[in-house]
Amino acid sequence: QSVLTQPPSVSGAPGQRVTISCTGSSSNIGTGYDVHWYQQLPGTAPKLLIYGNTNRPSGVPDRFSGSKSGTSASLAITGLQAEDEADYYCQSYDNSLSGWVFGGGTKLTVL
Amino acid sequence: EVQLVQSGAEVKKPGESLKISCKGSGYSFTNYWIGWVRQMPGKGLEWMGIIFPADSQTRYSPSFQGQVTISADKSISTAYLQWSSLKASDSAMYYCARKTGPNWFDPWGQGTLVTVSS
Repeated sequence: QSVLTQPPSVSGAPGQRVTISCTGSSSNIGTGYDVHWYQQLPGTAPKLLIYGNTNRPSGVPDRFSGSKSGTSASLAITGLQAEDEADYYCQSYDNSLSGWVFGGGTKLTVL
Repeated sequence: EVQLVQSGAEVKKPGESLKISCKGSGYSFTNYWIGWVRQMPGKGLEWMGIIFPADSQTRYSPSFQGQVTISADKSISTAYLQWSSLKASDSAMYYCARKTGPNWFDPWGQGTLVTVSS
């Protein structure tokens, strides 16, 4: 059971928009800690996709965007492409565990 | 280019010891925390612990405290994750990652696959 809750899977057709939710609690997202997102393509290491809730590292397309509200955060992907098919993880910090926590991951399938 | 390069895949027997490594380059290794993350087959990411190479200050996830040891040798810009007695349940991919900014990790190493089987 992960501290941050994500849907196990989402899907969408090429060109569509999908969102992935990440629900935490008052000891992590709700207490003000930022949410970060990682993309893990099949057989590769995770890669930072969004940091500080809404910021994209250099090289990440603006089709990817993040938001945060209350105890939850979301990752939105617009203009879906086949190359977006991957696992996506949210991550934050938890002050009751005194450590970093991940969501369980969401598998994105591009139909 | 900031890079973390991990040691190669390992195959071990239950009860054996193991130390895997993560070498940083392209930045000042002592200025950034290095974290370790486990990914069991077909599963998600789990934060194990973190070390500050400048003074070897270390913090562990409660789930991994006492199960592994994290260390670093700043003279060769390398962090380590070690086990004294492996179990089959330690079979997983292990990633190191640099903590960049308050609480995110970037970049990540390529991963080290550990297989424990009799």
